[in-house]
Amino acid sequence: NAGVTQTPKFQVLKTGQSMTLQCAQDMNHNSMYWYRQDPGMGLRLIYYSASEGTTDKGEVPNGYNVSRLNKREFSLRLESAAPSQTSVYFCASRAGGEGTGELFFGEGSRLTVL
Amino acid sequence: AQSVTQLDSQVPVFEEAPVELRCNYSSSVSVYLFWYVQYPNQGLQLLLKYLSGSTLVKGINGFEAEFNKSQTSFHLRKPSVHISDTAEYFCAVCPLRAAGNKLTFGGGTRVLVKP
Repeated sequence: NAGVTQTPKFQVLKTGQSMTLQCAQDMNHNSMYWYRQDPGMGLRLIYYSASEGTTDKGEVPNGYNVSRLNKREFSLRLESAAPSQTSVYFCASRAGGEGTGELFFGEGSRLTVL
Repeated sequence: AQSVTQLDSQVPVFEEAPVELRCNYSSSVSVYLFWYVQYPNQGLQLLLKYLSGSTLVKGINGFEAEFNKSQTSFHLRKPSVHISDTAEYFCAVCPLRAAGNKLTFGGGTRVLVKP
């Protein structure tokens, strides 16, 4: 009964280092999303993938890249980390179609950039 | 574009007292409305949603919300809170038939239930 699984849960980087956050869902959902959560700002959409093979920018895409590897997996890459990217990152998935469906979230990945 | 404003960043409340969390939104198109809850160190979970029909929506754990189209509001209420309701609550909107079905979230309201 895994749902949405994110790795790693915690990561500390130095400015300029790169890393990839991994996300996998086992619910056969079409749509997947990456959000970042910062105090007082709620969740802001970084990138999303409406279906396998497609990706699109969200509200705050600068400094990030994504890959929809297959229907299950959606990764987020920071090529050159900056302190402003210190945040909690959430992956989410949804069955797709109309925007009526529930988003299912992972437990989050806490990233600190020094 | 859409925006969501949650008017209270923190709401302290005593156990068994009622609570109301306020949410207002702005959108040029019709939207679906959602409330999510985040317990400490967890991801978000859906509390309830408004898609159409009755403006009073009931969700899990005794929560309910009322959609007011003229005031563009979707306030969340619970008549009697428990310690276990301590969490952060997020209001969100999704435009009908929007590409990618993207949700826009408010800034969150942190509820602290005191014994």
